[in-house]
Amino acid sequence: EDKVVQSPLSLVVHEGDTVTLNCSYEVTNFRSLLWYKQEKKAPTFLFMLTSSGIEKKSGRLSSILDKKELSSILNITATQTGDSAIYLCAVEAGDTGNQFYFGTGTSLTVIP
Amino acid sequence: DVKVTQSSRYLVKRTGEKVFLECVQDMDHENMFWYRQDPGLGLRLIYFSYDVKMKEKGDIPEGYSVSREKKERFSLILESASTNQTSMYLCASSKYWASGGRDTQYFGPGTRLTVL
Repeated sequence: EDKVVQSPLSLVVHEGDTVTLNCSYEVTNFRSLLWYKQEKKAPTFLFMLTSSGIEKKSGRLSSILDKKELSSILNITATQTGDSAIYLCAVEAGDTGNQFYFGTGTSLTVIP
Repeated sequence: DVKVTQSSRYLVKRTGEKVFLECVQDMDHENMFWYRQDPGLGLRLIYFSYDVKMKEKGDIPEGYSVSREKKERFSLILESASTNQTSMYLCASSKYWASGGRDTQYFGPGTRLTVL
């Protein structure tokens, strides 16, 4: 059965800490992996990864895909309270890319 | 396990046709959402509903309407499909947010709609 698993389920850190969120997947015909940040209503797109080993970076956030290990990590350095959110990982798969599999998310809380 | 299902995985329609996309969740969630996902744009919220018969516009509601007659079912309607509505449509559900809280959204597998 195709699936996406994220770990840890929840995390509480202090401002300034660095965190690493994990996403592993088992799907047929992998096409891409996407990271989202969800605060209230709609998740906000962060990164899309299709090639293994290439780091995508935006400010304090970065992500790498390891297609050999079927996983990805999302790093957040120098965390701030505004980083508190649920971080979702999703994998697009299928012959025509018409299937999405979402993890249940990692809930990150950054305390001052 | 939470299950969110969508009526079709792949749909092809003609310009001007009326299109119904159905979403059903089995976890008694109050909130339900419809998104579209396009390359380079990520998820964009079309409409959401926080209770039966209640709906609110998201970021891109133009050209769409929704219906929530039963708690478990949330329908997205394209009254007159156009080619720019060709996209991947994703449905999600979540529990009702307590004040200041947030809950994970559980997503369906998506419907890839092509409008010719």
